Amino acid sequence: DPKIIQKPKYLVAVTGSEKILICEQYLGHNAMYWYRQSAKKPLEFMFSYSYQKLMDNQTASSRFQPQSSKKNHLDLQITALKPDDSATYFCASSQVGTGNTLYFGEGSRLIVV
Amino acid sequence: QQKVQQSPESLSVPEGGMASLNCTSSDRNFQYFWWYRQHSGEGPKALMSIFSDGDKKEGRFTAHLNKASLHVSLHIRDSQPSDSALYFCAASNTGYQNFYFGKGTSLTVIP
Repeated sequence: DPKIIQKPKYLVAVTGSEKILICEQYLGHNAMYWYRQSAKKPLEFMFSYSYQKLMDNQTASSRFQPQSSKKNHLDLQITALKPDDSATYFCASSQVGTGNTLYFGEGSRLIVV
Repeated sequence: QQKVQQSPESLSVPEGGMASLNCTSSDRNFQYFWWYRQHSGEGPKALMSIFSDGDKKEGRFTAHLNKASLHVSLHIRDSQPSDSALYFCAASNTGYQNFYFGKGTSLTVIP
């Protein structure tokens, strides 16, 4: 069974609209992350959270907002979507302090038309 | 500027052969390194971590780290067709806040 659940797996959105990508992890980890993968910028770090608090933010645009309602949830809200936002978005988690290996979900593939 | 550079971009080796992948960091603050593998349509999965200078072996995989030159390599012996994938090097300065990935090396193992 997948330990990191991402929803939806695929979505098509219209330019200018808003979407939320869901991520839940059942590994008991205390840190969660979002990465974006596209042909132009493979595996680009976006955000990291620990205990529902922001650790690091490398996303220049405020259109990307992480939301953490529970410690094992880290959703990603994307507003005013642009075609350049088309990518696969990966959620990951790690246990800070024990080697910190990242465990990735299967990704949410977003296409903006 | 890409903080982690990988070479080669792509690599083909015969089944049973040795594959050698390279990674160099431009940030001297990076102290922690990982190798990840991604098969098509899946998320990346960690192969191994290396935090100290020298070699680290796990099965058919051997990683080598030289912190002075900020160079880390991955050697896969007895390569199998199932090893065909995209391999990423990742680096971090803190080991938990952020992890920076290279652009990857696409490995093809030819049966």
